[in-house]
Amino acid sequence: EIVLTQSPGTLSLSPGERATLSCRASQSVSSSYLAWYQQKPGQAPRLLIYGASSRATGIPDRFSGSGSGTDFTLTISRLEPEDFAVYYCQQYGSSPWLTFGGGTKVEIK
Amino acid sequence: EVQLVESGGGLVQPGRSLRLSCAASGFTFDDYAMHWVRQAPGKGLEWVSGISWNSGSIGYADSVKGRFTISRDNAKNSLYLQMNSLRAEDTALYYCAKDGYLPYSSSWYYFDYWGQGTLVTVSS
Repeated sequence: EIVLTQSPGTLSLSPGERATLSCRASQSVSSSYLAWYQQKPGQAPRLLIYGASSRATGIPDRFSGSGSGTDFTLTISRLEPEDFAVYYCQQYGSSPWLTFGGGTKVEIK
Repeated sequence: EVQLVESGGGLVQPGRSLRLSCAASGFTFDDYAMHWVRQAPGKGLEWVSGISWNSGSIGYADSVKGRFTISRDNAKNSLYLQMNSLRAEDTALYYCAKDGYLPYSSSWYYFDYWGQGTLVTVSS
């Protein structure tokens, strides 16, 4: 099973700042099969990024994903008020065992 | 518009059973793999189980293997999760989620649509 470790646990930033979230895998994620999700309180997760760098339908271009192998990054170029939420990475390179990272909370500073 | 609506959650005693349902609409249900993902109160996400479009491939997390059974009825556009021998650690919000990859896939990928979840509480 591939274990995903997200860091930092909490990121305190102001609107307009750049957010950089890390997701590190315990072994290489084949074919960059990594996705990112955003979850706000009381809501279901929303798909942001798949294939490490492809934006899902309707996702603003301030969200970008990068990385390969064991190190992946989600970048939010300029934080909008609605971006403060918890973010999860998920790997699907070792299907049928799908795993999530523990999450990073982006909070208002 | 894709809609996934879960039902069947509730309060159940340890060792008992519960069956969750997910009604899907807005897409060709029988073309896509489907999943159950859960979230314990205040915790992160955990994939529970997945089933391919034709039920030919089924998978479970180790934490539920042997106790939970996933199934689908393509004629009714519905996904199910039969949960037996429930434990306190199964307490969570259970989400139904659509696989986001191509139709007719026998592997699991990412989740492009989610329901709002149904809460299962296991307690005496």
